[in-house]
Amino acid sequence: LAKTTQPISMDSYEGQEVNITCSHNNIATNDYITWYQQFPSQGPRFIIQGYKTKVTNEVASLFIPADRKSSTLSLPRVSLSDTAVYYCLVEVVNAGNMLTFGGGTRLMVKP
Amino acid sequence: NAGVTQTPKFQVLKTGQSMTLQCAQDMNHNSMYWYRQDPGMGLRLIYYSASEGTTDKGEVPNGYNVSRLNKREFSLRLESAAPSQTSVYFCASSGGLFNYGYTFGSGTRLTVV
Repeated sequence: LAKTTQPISMDSYEGQEVNITCSHNNIATNDYITWYQQFPSQGPRFIIQGYKTKVTNEVASLFIPADRKSSTLSLPRVSLSDTAVYYCLVEVVNAGNMLTFGGGTRLMVKP
Repeated sequence: NAGVTQTPKFQVLKTGQSMTLQCAQDMNHNSMYWYRQDPGMGLRLIYYSASEGTTDKGEVPNGYNVSRLNKREFSLRLESAAPSQTSVYFCASSGGLFNYGYTFGSGTRLTVV
């Protein structure tokens, strides 16, 4: 299983763009990169998933360089409600693998 | 769609008591998982079931047993609860036709006194 490294915490202000970078140096050819968001007292929620280059949905963008050894989750114009823990994982899609969640990045959005 | 449903939401047990946490998903997912999350920590995998009829140990299986009852349901049993098992337990599923990662339930907050 590819391990991931991400910052423990980040602070931002409302309206700013937030970029959270994740390092996954040992990513395998079949691995996808997936980001989850977790609010207090709730289960993690899928945000975005990608394999290479750029993926964008209504919530976030995911940037993956050609070597795929890192990825960046970009949250445009954050609001107070984006305060949460963000987890970066690598996984083989539909393989029923056991995902390992690290400590995640605690994002605090301030007014 | 209800997604992943966990019961109960809260439970208090005395040391040595047993209980079963129930989990059901209605997304026709093949794989199901049980995680625990201690305060301020990430999630740790207890057991998982890659497909109906199979179960495997995760990172922290000691003190737990699981049953994949059918494709929809995956239960977690504590035979003799200990205070160290006080945690929030999350069930998850994955492996639909269009893979969008894991879908998690809302959790069971368990306190063992």
